[in-house]
Amino acid sequence: GDSVTQMEGPVTLSEEAFLTINCTYTATGYPSLFWYVQYPGEGLQLLLKATKADDKGSNKGFEATYRKETTSFHLEKGSVQVSDSAVYFCALRMDGSNYKLTFGKGTLLTVNP
Amino acid sequence: DAGVIQSPRHEVTEMGQEVTLRCKPISGHNSLFWYRQTMMRGLELLIYFNNNVPIDDSGMPEDRFSAKMPNASFSTLKIQPSEPRDSAVYFCASSLAPPGGYTFGSGTRLTVV
Repeated sequence: GDSVTQMEGPVTLSEEAFLTINCTYTATGYPSLFWYVQYPGEGLQLLLKATKADDKGSNKGFEATYRKETTSFHLEKGSVQVSDSAVYFCALRMDGSNYKLTFGKGTLLTVNP
Repeated sequence: DAGVIQSPRHEVTEMGQEVTLRCKPISGHNSLFWYRQTMMRGLELLIYFNNNVPIDDSGMPEDRFSAKMPNASFSTLKIQPSEPRDSAVYFCASSLAPPGGYTFGSGTRLTVV
């Protein structure tokens, strides 16, 4: 079945460091790909998305590029802030009659001042 | 829009009791999802409704769990009888047909003692 694999955390960085969180997927077709962020005590929020190969999603300084050849959607940010501390989830969706999202296990990011 | 509204935010109950979680999706969204989040298993899809009709309930763990969506603006997830292993955060999410993502509620933290 369809699945998402994320790098295991936790990830701890200093403020202004470069961030990469790896995400790879397995799917029978060509899914849409998403990154969600969950701040402490809150629900998940959509961070960015890409719907086809070579698309780049971006938001709040975060970027991810849909790479079909490597089945990857790695999340990057050039300079993290303390406020970026959260859990990040990679997800895929196979569009069709069933629109469910399949999530990775999440990666906890802690940014220290 | 107030977003996806879940109630209660926290629920503590004794083993064997009935628990009902509630969700009001975003007006106009035609899909509704119930997820369960635990440290061990991450985010698990329990059930998915489209236009108030259950489409995929393969994630419902057992007969003790049931979900209803009597109209487009309300859904419930019921556990009867509850067990300690049901302790988790339960999220409701709604969406419109692709390419949109989900909007999550803030979750209900359930503790069964």
